Amino acid sequence: DTAVSQTPKYLVTQMGNDKSIKCEQNLGHDTMYWYKQDSKKFLKIMFSYNNKELIINETVPNRFSPKSPDKAHLNLHINSLELGDSAVYFCASSQERRPHGYTFGSGTRLTVV
Amino acid sequence: AQTVTQSQPEMSVQEAETVTLSCTYDTSENNYYLFWYKQPPSRQMILVIRQEAYKQQNATENRFSVNFQKAAKSFSLKISDSQLGDTAMYFCAFDKYNNNDMRFGAGTRLTVKP
Repeated sequence: DTAVSQTPKYLVTQMGNDKSIKCEQNLGHDTMYWYKQDSKKFLKIMFSYNNKELIINETVPNRFSPKSPDKAHLNLHINSLELGDSAVYFCASSQERRPHGYTFGSGTRLTVV
Repeated sequence: AQTVTQSQPEMSVQEAETVTLSCTYDTSENNYYLFWYKQPPSRQMILVIRQEAYKQQNATENRFSVNFQKAAKSFSLKISDSQLGDTAMYFCAFDKYNNNDMRFGAGTRLTVKP
């Protein structure tokens, strides 16, 4: 059983389109995250959700919106895609007390053409 | 805000030898967690080792160990008996206690040579 699964693994789309990336965790964790990894491999947190409440929103364009239908899911919706949005997006989850760190999904490579 | 610095963009080591990856961080917090994650070419983020700041004893996981120097805000990773499968990006990460905001360093690309 995959602990944190995200789909799709690869996404190629044209500028201006709207797309979503889905994430599900079956670990019973209470917090989920979205990270962006750029071409230089730098990982930056975008959002985190705890019990369906947004608790961090870094300086991310409002074209990006996280949607959490329940504690096990945190989807990322992106409007009006731009070339600079091309990156790998990781979903992750954790327990409130986190000596065990975060568990990551396998990533979605988004390419905007 | 907490910052994590990895000063070695790239490193290489011969198979079976030992290598140490450096990490420093900046924080005013007393309670926090530190982690090393490995990202092989498959891009999966894999937790290698973790350290809780209140524990003085350095964490060890098989061939992986850390040198945690709290006063110096240093958290280096030592890989013993390096294997070809250790080739990957390694990220140091800082997580403040009870705060959902883990920060990563820029990573060190490690190549293990046969």
